[in-house]
Amino acid sequence: DIVMTQSPDSLAVSLGERATINCKSSQSVLYSSNNKNYLAWYQQKPGQPPKLLIYWASTRESGVPDRFSGSGSGTDFTLTISSLQAEDVAVYYCQQYYSTRVTFGPGTKVDIK
Amino acid sequence: EVQLVESGGGLVQPGRSLRLSCAASGFTFDDYAMHWVRQAPGKGLEWVSGISWNSGSIGYADSVKGRFTISRDNAKNSLYLQMNSLRAEDTALYYCAKDMSSELVEYFQHWGQGTLVTVSS
Repeated sequence: DIVMTQSPDSLAVSLGERATINCKSSQSVLYSSNNKNYLAWYQQKPGQPPKLLIYWASTRESGVPDRFSGSGSGTDFTLTISSLQAEDVAVYYCQQYYSTRVTFGPGTKVDIK
Repeated sequence: EVQLVESGGGLVQPGRSLRLSCAASGFTFDDYAMHWVRQAPGKGLEWVSGISWNSGSIGYADSVKGRFTISRDNAKNSLYLQMNSLRAEDTALYYCAKDMSSELVEYFQHWGQGTLVTVSS
């Protein structure tokens, strides 16, 4: 299985400041035939199911604020929250779907400093 | 509006069985692959199993292979997970998730609220 790692495990950011979460896959999730990275990001708030934020590594889901952005290719990816808002407090997971046996990263908890 | 409603969870003894259901509405069910994802208390997300639109492709995590069986009934807009030989480590909130693709697999656009399975004597 493709192993996903995330860093940091948690971070605390002041309101309005930038939050950056890193995700690394044990093998490339870039499919050469279509040049797409099979990588998604989810946000999970306490007591709620995960919510899709980003897919194909950098495409924002409809309705997701533009302060959320995804970047990276191959094995290294980043989720950036450009200006942290109180409602962004959550755990963020990356997921690879390059393999039919999808795997998630362990999650990164984002709090307000 | 897409709705996924899981049911069938509960307290069960180790070694026993349980069948989870997911009732889908608000979309054409047989156009999409579906999945089960679980989350142990205080832990991260673990993909359990997925099934393509016509049940032609099925996948399982190693942790459940041989014990769990995924199935779907497109006429009833329903997804199922038959869980046998349950273990304490199967204790988790089980989510039903809708794939963006008809085949396995793309990202999960919609998730249910989950049904809690507790395996304990």
